[in-house]
Amino acid sequence: KAGVTQTPRYLIKTRGQQVTLSCSPISGHRSVSWYQQTPGQGLQFLFEYFSETQRNKGNFPGRFSGRQFSNSRSEMNVSTLELGDSALYLCASSLPGQSEAFFGQGTRLTVV
Amino acid sequence: AQKVTQAQTEISVVEKEDVTLDCVYETRDTTYYLFWYKQPPSGELVFLIRRNSFDEQNEISGRYSWNFQKSTSSFNFTITASQVVDSAVYFCALREGAAGNKLTFGGGTRVLVKP
Repeated sequence: KAGVTQTPRYLIKTRGQQVTLSCSPISGHRSVSWYQQTPGQGLQFLFEYFSETQRNKGNFPGRFSGRQFSNSRSEMNVSTLELGDSALYLCASSLPGQSEAFFGQGTRLTVV
Repeated sequence: AQKVTQAQTEISVVEKEDVTLDCVYETRDTTYYLFWYKQPPSGELVFLIRRNSFDEQNEISGRYSWNFQKSTSSFNFTITASQVVDSAVYFCALREGAAGNKLTFGGGTRVLVKP
């Protein structure tokens, strides 16, 4: 059974640009969550999508957005990139209810 | 609001020693779930164990064991007979019952196992 797949693995962008990250969940998992990991702030929850609807949102500015498609794949978009957006972005998928989340290897975004 | 605290930032041990990682959590929910994840240098968070708030039974799974105590809001994790491959950052996480699949993580504890 394939795990959570995130693409691309590495990305370098310039300040002011926008970026789209992709996440393919484990087959059958309908919940997809996104997290940002930085040395200063640690792991922070961005948002969760379930059945194409945003179910939860963390405390991030509106420049961070996401969506989920009917096949449960999810994308995350960051507009007007800032240097502080440099981070490891992790995607997790899970089954509904009392279950653990399984994470992808992440996309390491560097903003220069 | 929910919060997870891992007071130990780094632990260094020699192979075969036991390692215990501390985790203290805060939540107002009566139903919640606690997790431990391992993050090797590759970056992926690997699920290790889960505990539900209504089940305080402590268990052992291979070299891993955990001690869940609601009275002190603690969820400690022990690696027995550590190995070099256990070197990683370990995260404790909390999911509240009404919060979907949102996880709140502690700051992580870096474990270094020396041969």
